[in-house]
Amino acid sequence: NAGVTQTPKFRVLKTGQSMTLLCAQDMNHEYMYWYRQDPGMGLRLIHYSVGEGTTAKGEVPDGYNVSRLKKQNFLLGLESAAPSQTSVYFCASRPDRGPEKLFFGSGTQLSVL
Amino acid sequence: KNEVEQSPQNLTAQEGEFITINCSYSVGISALHWLQQHPGGGIVSLFMLSSGKKKHGRLIATINIQEKHSSLHITASHPRDSAVYICAVIEWGNQFYFGTGTSLTVIP
Repeated sequence: NAGVTQTPKFRVLKTGQSMTLLCAQDMNHEYMYWYRQDPGMGLRLIHYSVGEGTTAKGEVPDGYNVSRLKKQNFLLGLESAAPSQTSVYFCASRPDRGPEKLFFGSGTQLSVL
Repeated sequence: KNEVEQSPQNLTAQEGEFITINCSYSVGISALHWLQQHPGGGIVSLFMLSSGKKKHGRLIATINIQEKHSSLHITASHPRDSAVYICAVIEWGNQFYFGTGTSLTVIP
């Protein structure tokens, strides 16, 4: 039982390049989230999903897209990376019933030059 | 607008000291989490509580729903407790809000 797995752990992009971050969970959770963490700020919600095939915008969605084609996977895409997207990205998941406990991935450090 | 405020932002303690980190929030919540983040590491949930008090080893978390306030206490602090501690609340309607974290350093 691996929990929540994020790939890659580190990435450096040039401005304008694209990439996809993958989040996979093996706990059969309905809810999945993508957050970014920046110095001096709390975790901010980018996009989230309440189930397979559904996505919704969070607090800071601009410049990002997501897809949840399979229940266990939640992908975060950057179509044209900008330096302002340099951040640490965390994926999280939780079940739709029972304790409202979040399970986090180990994070992705992204630098956009 | 910050729905969750933590204090202090930074804290340095000598090994063995009793530590308190505070969290205040402004929204109605169904539960509150205390999270721990080690340098370069992921985030793990220490406690989830909706009332009263919980204890796990040297860590104690309390919450006062009427005052919208929670505290995380660490008794007999140890250098391995050095981490960032984050308060997070779950608003009715399932939105999570996070504090900016308290960076704790425990010196041997």
